[in-house]
Amino acid sequence: GAVVSQHPSRVICKSGTSVKIECRSLDFQATTMFWYRQFPKQSLMLMATSNEGSKATYEQGVEKDKFLINHASLTLSTLTVTSAHPEDSSFYICSARDGGRGLSAYNEQFFGPGTRLTVL
Amino acid sequence: AQSVTQPDIHITVSEGASLELRCNYSYGATPYLFWYVQSPGQGLQLLLKYFSGDTLVQGIKGFEAEFKRSQSSFNLRKPSVHWSDAAEYFCAVGAPGGYNKLIFGAGTRLAVHP
Repeated sequence: GAVVSQHPSRVICKSGTSVKIECRSLDFQATTMFWYRQFPKQSLMLMATSNEGSKATYEQGVEKDKFLINHASLTLSTLTVTSAHPEDSSFYICSARDGGRGLSAYNEQFFGPGTRLTVL
Repeated sequence: AQSVTQPDIHITVSEGASLELRCNYSYGATPYLFWYVQSPGQGLQLLLKYFSGDTLVQGIKGFEAEFKRSQSSFNLRKPSVHWSDAAEYFCAVGAPGGYNKLIFGAGTRLAVHP
């Protein structure tokens, strides 16, 4: 149980194009999903918190118009990198909290396998 | 503000040797504490977690961690390391309640010599 998938696992795109990354909770309802960015040999940097049916909350310094997040259902959140540039190349990881556990739970997040984005 | 410090960026051990990865946190109350492992190009897998109760927590793959409130530490240990344990290890802290985000340490890269 508690499986999170991401699609695609790897994407290469040209500068100026937009790329959409999907994050799905396969066997639980994810009321909250998180999007992280990870640079090589570095830790995870939280980009935004996504709650189902509401606008995402972005961390300071993250451009919300560039990184569009949609959490339209309890099992799907998407991250769209708009007008991508080479500096957006990174490893993007999503995670999800199981809403069925309630707010008093461990606050555990289940992580997807990540998406490697390369912008040429 | 919450913060997590992993003092060791890189650790190398011999296969079969014991391992201890250090983690110190900063938080006003007792936080939720986690250890995750990440293999190259992969997402994160939860090794173990601490919320309350017994301060010695057992996890998967033979790992354990001990919460020490007086030292604000949550060090990860394994008595005998296997070559397959080579990976990046992240300690994380989360505050109870709400939609709380996790704050990750910088990570410790573990290399295992045969």
